[in-house]
Amino acid sequence: QVQLQESGPGLVKPSETLSLTCTVSGDSITNYYWSWIRQPAGKGLEWIGRIFTSGSTDYSPSLKSRVTMSVDTSKNQLSLKLHSVTAADTAVYYCARGPGPGTPLDYWGQGTLVTVSS
Amino acid sequence: QAGLTQPPSLSKGLRQTATLTCTGNSDNVGNHGAAWLQQHQGHPPKLLSYRNNNRPSGISERLSASRSGNTASLTITGLQPEDEADYYCSAWDFSLSAWVFGGGTKLTVL
Repeated sequence: QVQLQESGPGLVKPSETLSLTCTVSGDSITNYYWSWIRQPAGKGLEWIGRIFTSGSTDYSPSLKSRVTMSVDTSKNQLSLKLHSVTAADTAVYYCARGPGPGTPLDYWGQGTLVTVSS
Repeated sequence: QAGLTQPPSLSKGLRQTATLTCTGNSDNVGNHGAAWLQQHQGHPPKLLSYRNNNRPSGISERLSASRSGNTASLTITGLQPEDEADYYCSAWDFSLSAWVFGGGTKLTVL
């Protein structure tokens, strides 16, 4: 059973960089796409972007200028950096497997709340 | 902001049938169909179906998905209290090269 666990600071100051890590267990991350998704309190899901284990990325057009994703296959981890954050970036951040060709976001982490505040 | 359109809410009685809809365009839903997710309060989303009616193992047969043109539907028969949740549709948008979500439908089981 694939399991994902997000980790990182729960509080980030405005204008700084939000950094999160997702650790995958139960399977190798190799040859899959991996995504980050966020959800502000009481609101819907927003896809941030995805990364393939080769390092190839696709980012949401609305966040593309501030997002950096990376992957460490030796640690079975993926990482998210969101630069120049504001209060509007306060949300629960999820990592998930997919989407790939013909496959959706099938396995999700439990999510981690990140609050942007001074 | 949502890329796909879902009604914000739907209320149905116990043991009734609910049909949730999701409207996109030919770049997303109309191209490869939609995936549906269920989210209970305080929990991560859970995949219910993808590419219209492929269900992961363990997903109830009371759920079935379909697509007509640019609109995807999720039908839940014999509604149970545990079906009360938020439901999101999602799809790859080939024009945006991005995964898009609907705004979600809150299903209430009366």
